[in-house]
Amino acid sequence: AQKITQTQPGMFVQEKEAVTLDCTYDTSDQSYGLFWYKQPSSGEMIFLIYQGSYDEQNATEGRYSLNFQKARKSANLVISASQLGDSAMYFCAMRERQRSYNTDKLIFGTGTRLQVFP
Amino acid sequence: EAQVTQNPRYLITVTGKKLTVTCSQNMNHEYMSWYRQDPGLGLRQIYYSMNVEVTDKGDVPEGYKVSRKEKRNFPLILESPSPNQTSLYFCASRPGTGGILSGYTFGSGTRLTVV
Repeated sequence: AQKITQTQPGMFVQEKEAVTLDCTYDTSDQSYGLFWYKQPSSGEMIFLIYQGSYDEQNATEGRYSLNFQKARKSANLVISASQLGDSAMYFCAMRERQRSYNTDKLIFGTGTRLQVFP
Repeated sequence: EAQVTQNPRYLITVTGKKLTVTCSQNMNHEYMSWYRQDPGLGLRQIYYSMNVEVTDKGDVPEGYKVSRKEKRNFPLILESPSPNQTSLYFCASRPGTGGILSGYTFGSGTRLTVV
């Protein structure tokens, strides 16, 4: 079965610095998608960025970029110029084939809690 | 505004008292799903639905029921809640087609405590 691994339970970064949140994945599928979500203390899940397995360029969305290394099966999130509002839990997720109905679902890593300090 | 609406946001209940968490989406999405989030475990899928009257178990279905009588609604039912079902619950939806690029829209979450 596919799996997402986030090895950093918590990370600290100073405001205005860049930070990398690690994510590795395991899949035998050729076609797959990788997502990053942000979960602030209020609890909602906020979509940040998406990378398709056939995309040759790393995805970028504003201050977020995804460092996609297919051979290493890693999809690290890079946040540039960190802000205090970036303090949150961050989840890496991947679409996994569902058991039935020829569809798929999201599977999630265990998350990394990022704290940005002044 | 396109959204997934969950209710209630917070719920405290007692063991064994049946409850329903509602989920409604206004995007005409075919696929809907329930997840629970627990510390150190991330989000795990409870049930999903491909369309009206089509549902199936996810990874942690024990103790839960769902129904999909209308396309927009996908309620989560706990017939006899137990303390180990204390968790943060999310409903999510996406289009049925669109392949790997189809994005998921999440509700705001329901924090359930069973005492």
